[in-house]
Amino acid sequence: DADVTQTPRNRITKTGKRIMLECSQTKGHDRMYWYRQDPGLGLRLIYYSFDVKDINKGEISDGYSVSRQAQAKFSLSLESAIPNQTALYFCASRASGADTQYFGPGTRLTVL
Amino acid sequence: QKEVEQNSGPLSVPEGAIASLNCTYSDRVSQSFFWYRQYSGKSPELIMSIYSNGDKEDGRFTAQLNKASQYVSLLIRDSQPSDSATYLCAVNTIKAAGNKLTFGGGTRVLVKP
Repeated sequence: DADVTQTPRNRITKTGKRIMLECSQTKGHDRMYWYRQDPGLGLRLIYYSFDVKDINKGEISDGYSVSRQAQAKFSLSLESAIPNQTALYFCASRASGADTQYFGPGTRLTVL
Repeated sequence: QKEVEQNSGPLSVPEGAIASLNCTYSDRVSQSFFWYRQYSGKSPELIMSIYSNGDKEDGRFTAQLNKASQYVSLLIRDSQPSDSATYLCAVNTIKAAGNKLTFGGGTRVLVKP
């Protein structure tokens, strides 16, 4: 079984809709991350969380919000989706003190 | 200037040859450096990490770090078609707010049989 899972894997929605992307990890990591990937731009950090009570904005947080429901769960919400939020979204987790981030399989989101 | 820069490619390499990928970074206090491989439509996977100046070898992969020049590279020896992927350079910097991992845009590598 995958250590970091994301749901849904693909989603097509319309402008103005509220969307939630979910992430779960079974690695027992305290740190979790949400990235988006656009062609040629690599991975850009949206939000990150060091524990359930610690949520931090990344470099491109505008238009997004997150919730850390438990140590293992970190969800990303788009309150009112817009077409330029069409991208591949990755969740990742990492143990504190370790360098390696483990990525989920990604969610491909299309906003029409 | 981007914090982490890579040539987007594609870098076309004959099978069996050496592929050489380069990455430069802007923050002099960055401490740790990573290479991730990403197949099309898949998630990134860590293939190499390097923390000190010099070379680090792992199988067919060698990472090279030069902090004075703010430069990190990845060599893939005896390139195979299965090495065809996008390679992401990532740089970790400790900030007051915590670690910051910044990714480059990636270099696409095509290994031709």
